[in-house]
Amino acid sequence: NAGVMQNPRHLVRRRGQEARLRCSPMKGHSHVYWYRQLPEEGLKFMVYLQKENIIDESGMPKERFSAEFPKEGPSILRIQQVVRGDSAAYFCASSPPGQGDQPQHFGDGTRLSIL
Amino acid sequence: QKEVEQDPGPLSVPEGAIVSLNCTYSNSAFQYFMWYRQYSRKGPELLMYTYSSGNKEDGRFTAQVDKSSKYISLFIRDSQPSDSATYLCAMGGAGNNRKLIWGLGTSLAVNP
Repeated sequence: NAGVMQNPRHLVRRRGQEARLRCSPMKGHSHVYWYRQLPEEGLKFMVYLQKENIIDESGMPKERFSAEFPKEGPSILRIQQVVRGDSAAYFCASSPPGQGDQPQHFGDGTRLSIL
Repeated sequence: QKEVEQDPGPLSVPEGAIVSLNCTYSNSAFQYFMWYRQYSRKGPELLMYTYSSGNKEDGRFTAQVDKSSKYISLFIRDSQPSDSATYLCAMGGAGNNRKLIWGLGTSLAVNP
């Protein structure tokens, strides 16, 4: 399966813990995007990364959230000191290198629940 | 005013009907337009992608973009129960501005 792979599919954390969400892009794709989906708000852009570079983080909360896409390995979205409001579905997408008009392909997400 | 407006429905149609879904937007900088389908507990699945005004057809699906009216549509012909899902429109700019702006999605039920 050459699709975007996200893990874990479900993650439960207690308030104050850290959450790490992983995303492996499609084969040949070098651009990764993270989105958050809340029931009444729809999908919201968080961050756009290329290998070892953050290109656009305009949708990332200023505190507790960080993202990386290292030279080797998956992209990681990290949430420190989680709070109840962080409960959501987090989706990763990837696109191939090239111009900005390449469509984004999505994984099945990580559903984060905060107790 | 939201950048992208989409009627959330729900929309319920009989099998075989033609379904019309649409979105309006306010940002004239958007250059490419997509329709995604999302089943429950799954990620968005790309259905149609257009980069200019006009029509694009793929099987039972037709996407229309009217940049002058800032209006996009998705038509589904001969709808099937398996088309029951949430349909999301998404739009983006160009260059390094790759973030997609999304409608809230329209919930569609096709009844056998």
